[in-house]
Amino acid sequence: KNEVEQSPQNLTAQEGEFITINCSYSVGISALHWLQQHPGGGIVSLFMLSSGKKKHGRLIATINIQEKHSSLHITASHPRDSAVYICAVRIQGAQKLVFGQGTRLTINP
Amino acid sequence: AAGVIQSPRHLIKEKRETATLKCYPIPRHDTVYWYQQGPGQDPQFLISFYEKMQSDKGSIPDRFSAQQFSDYHSELNMSSLELGDSALYFCASSFFELTVNRRGRYEQFFGPGTRLTVL
Repeated sequence: KNEVEQSPQNLTAQEGEFITINCSYSVGISALHWLQQHPGGGIVSLFMLSSGKKKHGRLIATINIQEKHSSLHITASHPRDSAVYICAVRIQGAQKLVFGQGTRLTINP
Repeated sequence: AAGVIQSPRHLIKEKRETATLKCYPIPRHDTVYWYQQGPGQDPQFLISFYEKMQSDKGSIPDRFSAQQFSDYHSELNMSSLELGDSALYFCASSFFELTVNRRGRYEQFFGPGTRLTVL
C-alpha cells in the first residue's frame, strides 16, 4: 500500500464545476504539498500545508492532521486548470517528499 | 522572481553512455533535491544535499552520483546509462527558515525538469 493515496485518479468535469481532489496518507508528516504538473512536465508548487486551510485565487487546500487527509478544491473550474495534481508529503524527520500517484483533471469547455 | 534552473532541458543518450544534469537553485536556497519520474510514474526521490553535504538518499542507483558545489548548484552524474533510466529528472530547492511559531519550513520549489531519453 502506498504511503500517499489520491482519489480520484482521473476526473473529467465541465467548465465552471467545483472540483475536489482528495489525498490520504498513512505516515506522520511535517508538511503536505499540492503540486500541479502540466503535459509539458514542469511541476508547480501550489500549496504547502501543515495545518488548517489555505486559499489562493480559485484554489483552496485543507488538511486534517488527525484524520491524515487533505483536499484540494478548485472553484469555477476552467479548461486551463486541466493538469495532473499531485499530493506529496514530507515525512517527519526527513526533508524529501513522498508523492501520490496524481489525479489527472480534464476540464471541458 | 528567480526560479530553479535545470540544464539541459532535453538530453538524448545511447545505452552505456554517461550524462550530467545540472541544477541551479533559487538564490539563497541551501538545499537541493533530485527526483526521477519515469513514464506514467509518480516522482521518486533520489538524493538531496544541504550546505554541500548529502542530507538524504533515496532510490538512487549506484551508477548515479551527485554533488553540490560551493555556489549551491548541483550536478547529477549518470553512468552506464540503461533504457530504464529514460525519465524526467526534477531538481527542487528549498531554504530552511523558522516560521513565526518556530517550526521549520522547507517549502520546495521545482525546476522545469530534464527529460532524458536513452536509446
